[in-house]
Amino acid sequence: DAGVTQSPTHLIKTRGQQVTLRCSPKSGHDTVSWYQQALGQGPQFIFQYYEEEERQRGNFPDRFSGHQFPNYSSELNVNALLLGDSALYLCASSAPRVLTFGAGSRLTVL
Amino acid sequence: ILNVEQSPQSLHVQEGDSTNFTCSFPSSNFYALHWYRWETAKSPEALFVMTLNGDEKKKGRISATLNTKEGYSYLYIKGSQPEDSATYLCAFMRDGNKLVFGAGTILRVKS
Repeated sequence: DAGVTQSPTHLIKTRGQQVTLRCSPKSGHDTVSWYQQALGQGPQFIFQYYEEEERQRGNFPDRFSGHQFPNYSSELNVNALLLGDSALYLCASSAPRVLTFGAGSRLTVL
Repeated sequence: ILNVEQSPQSLHVQEGDSTNFTCSFPSSNFYALHWYRWETAKSPEALFVMTLNGDEKKKGRISATLNTKEGYSYLYIKGSQPEDSATYLCAFMRDGNKLVFGAGTILRVKS
């Protein structure tokens, strides 16, 4: 059983550009959450999707948006990239209470 | 603002040493406390999900305890091995949906 898969694994963008990150949840999981991990910090909650709706959102600006598809896969979009958006972006899918994480997409903004 | 604090920030031990880390979290509106093990370039791996005050969980040489009234959890590793080298993250869950993570404890075990 493939766990949570994320793509791309690494990418480099320049300031002002837009990026889309993708996540396929673990089989049987219908809820997807996204986290941002900046250097030296723990992962920070961005938002969570369930039944194709954003269910909860962390303290991130509107430049961060997402989507969940009928097959439960999800995308994270970040517009107008800033240098400070450079981070590892983790996707997690969940059954109640237990989260399974992907290996992340590392975004570098130059 | 929810704060989850982990200590120490990093730890270097010799193979065979036993070690422990601390996670502090808000004691109000507790739902669950998660421990993850995270090796470089891999996915964070769930170790324990703890929900009840006084919970003790064990997985091989790793065990964890939980005190929800005072807001702390300990993770213990007995007889550390080089393959235990990783970052250990704890995360507090208040509502069943969102995890609030600590910054992690980096463990390095020398052979």
